[in-house]
Amino acid sequence: QKEVEQNSGPLSVPEGAIASLNCTYSDRVSQSFFWYRQYSGKSPELIMSIYSNGDKEDGRFTAQLNKASQYVSLLIRDSQPSDSATYLCAVNTPDNTDKLIFGTGTRLQVFP
Amino acid sequence: GAGVSQTPSNKVTEKGKYVELRCDPISGHTALYWYRQSLGQGPEFLIYFQGTGAADDSGLPNDRFFAVRPEGSVSTLKIQRTERGDSAVYLCASSSDRVMNTGELFFGEGSRLTVL
Repeated sequence: QKEVEQNSGPLSVPEGAIASLNCTYSDRVSQSFFWYRQYSGKSPELIMSIYSNGDKEDGRFTAQLNKASQYVSLLIRDSQPSDSATYLCAVNTPDNTDKLIFGTGTRLQVFP
Repeated sequence: GAGVSQTPSNKVTEKGKYVELRCDPISGHTALYWYRQSLGQGPEFLIYFQGTGAADDSGLPNDRFFAVRPEGSVSTLKIQRTERGDSAVYLCASSSDRVMNTGELFFGEGSRLTVL
C-alpha cells in the first residue's frame, strides 16, 4: 500500500462548480497534511495546510481532515479554468523527520 | 536570486555516463531537499539536508546516487553509471522552517534528465 494515495483523474468540472479532491494516507500517526498545486510543466506550490480534524478555509479553498478515517480532502468552490492543474496531497512522515511524502496527484480540468 | 535555482534545466546523456545536477537554494534556507518526479507521478523523496549534513538519505534508490552540500548552501546531486530508468525531472526544494510546521517547500523549476 502506498503511503499517500490519490485518484489520478482527470477530474473534470464545469466552471463555477465545486471540485472535490481526495487523499488517503496509510500511517495513523501522521500529523501534518498539505495540498500543493502543480501546473503543467511547472513546480509544485503550497496552497493549503491542515493539522487538526475538521475544516480549514482559505478563500475558495477548503481543506478537510479526518484522522480517524485517514482521509484528507480539498474543496475548490467556484472553480475557474485557471484552477486546472494537478493537485498533490503531501503528508509529513510518521517518524517526524522533516520530509514530505507526496501522492501521485489528481489532475483537475475546469472547462468553461 | 529570489528563488531556488537549478542547473542545467535539461540534460541529455547516454547510458553509463556520469551526471551532476546543481541546486542553489533560497538565501538563508537551511533545509534543502531533492525529489525526483516521473511523468504522471508525484515527487518522490530522495534526500534531505539540514545545513551541510544529510539528515535523511533514505530515498536514494541505490549507491549510484549521491548528493553533497559542502558549505550548507549549494547542493549537487551526482548520478553515476546512468540508466534509462533514471530519466525524470529532478526537483530541488528549500525551506526556512521545519516542514512539519509549515509544509512550505519552495521548489526550483527542476532539471529534466533524459538518459538515452
